[in-house]
Amino acid sequence: GQQLNQSPQSMFIQEGEDVSMNCTSSSIFNTWLWYKQDPGEGPVLLIALYKAGELTSNGRLTAQFGITRKDSFLNISASIPSDVGIYFCAGQGTRTSYDKVIFGPGTSLSVIP
Amino acid sequence: GAVVSQHPSWVICKSGTSVKIECRSLDFQATTMFWYRQFPKQSLMLMATSNEGSKATYEQGVEKDKFLINHASLTLSTLTVTSAHPEDSSFYICSARITGGAGQPQHFGDGTRLSIL
Repeated sequence: GQQLNQSPQSMFIQEGEDVSMNCTSSSIFNTWLWYKQDPGEGPVLLIALYKAGELTSNGRLTAQFGITRKDSFLNISASIPSDVGIYFCAGQGTRTSYDKVIFGPGTSLSVIP
Repeated sequence: GAVVSQHPSWVICKSGTSVKIECRSLDFQATTMFWYRQFPKQSLMLMATSNEGSKATYEQGVEKDKFLINHASLTLSTLTVTSAHPEDSSFYICSARITGGAGQPQHFGDGTRLSIL
């Protein structure tokens, strides 16, 4: 079945540092999504990418949809303590379902003040 | 905008009890809603796709008689865990897609933590 891989699995960084995380897939998706989940809460959408090669920013966050449509990266600049959480990439839209979303395993981010 | 509300946010009950979880889209209509299950330190696993006015589509390995889904209106889907047992304890999260927004991102509720004693 379709699988997503995220790297790194976890990160410990100093406040103010930049962060980069990646997501790769064995399948092509129509849309790539990045979500952040805080403990005990549902995921919150950070960035949605709709076109191969698309580069999109949301404040300190920047994400790109890979040309092959099988990968994406998320960068966070000048990290702050509230960036702590689990970051999930997700692929949406396959040959069989335009709605189905497949989640990656997540990257856990810890920010040291 | 695009707020999804889940209720209850947490529930503790005895083994054998049936538990109903509600998922509401507060400021938009959602023809399609989705139910996920998440174990500690793991990712979200899609359980089923809920379609207003029709039967839900369940993912492989999910028992439809165990996890009953009803989507009676454009703003409400319910998940009932029937005769719950300790192994059903998990974090259940719903999401909704704006009607007419094919391919648009799903918006998630805050989840329901279910603990079966």
